[in-house]
Amino acid sequence: GAGVSQTPSNKVTEKGKYVELRCDPISGHTALYWYRQSLGQGPEFLIYFQGTGAADDSGLPNDRFFAVRPEGSVSTLKIQRTERGDSAVYLCASSSAGGGQFFGPGTRLTVL
Amino acid sequence: SQQGEEDPQALSIQEGENATMNCSYKTSINNLQWYRQNSGRGLVHLILIRSNEREKHSGRLRVTLDTSKKSSSLLITASRAADTASYFCATDGEGGSNYKLTFGKGTLLTVNP
Repeated sequence: GAGVSQTPSNKVTEKGKYVELRCDPISGHTALYWYRQSLGQGPEFLIYFQGTGAADDSGLPNDRFFAVRPEGSVSTLKIQRTERGDSAVYLCASSSAGGGQFFGPGTRLTVL
Repeated sequence: SQQGEEDPQALSIQEGENATMNCSYKTSINNLQWYRQNSGRGLVHLILIRSNEREKHSGRLRVTLDTSKKSSSLLITASRAADTASYFCATDGEGGSNYKLTFGKGTLLTVNP
């Protein structure tokens, strides 16, 4: 079956703008995760959904970041008033209960 | 914070040789996973080993886990040029979580043809 998909693959925006990043998890996976990866680093956890609810959003860096998963499948990561420091690859993953996390190809966000 | 730390940071070998990468972590874990990443994009899940397992195999991959030393190793046998990538270990268990993965900075493996 299809893996995790993310759109767009690349996003270039200007400082101060609003962006939305989309994640389509593997069908049937109830858990969904967002991570952020800066150059030369490993991914860092942002938020975890179990079903529709955000079970843990402790990794979100500040209140400019918000994520939703209204129907328990597709998720959108929203970033308001983007800053240059937000530039990174944003990775989404999904898993079944007790299974490994499978990642999408990521969205490379560049804030000019 | 990054719990897992891979060693070495970079490894260059010839095609056909074996590659061994190590990972150390700090807190108790439920599972440890290894991933491969090409060109800084999507992570490919390689293998998951549970805390009560000591060794696991998948094709040319062999993973060991020593929870007493809080370390794991990934062995790739008979390496190929296509194995060139960054390899990350990821652990859960930080803060009592069984879902939040903590990654190291990775090992950059280069397999020369």
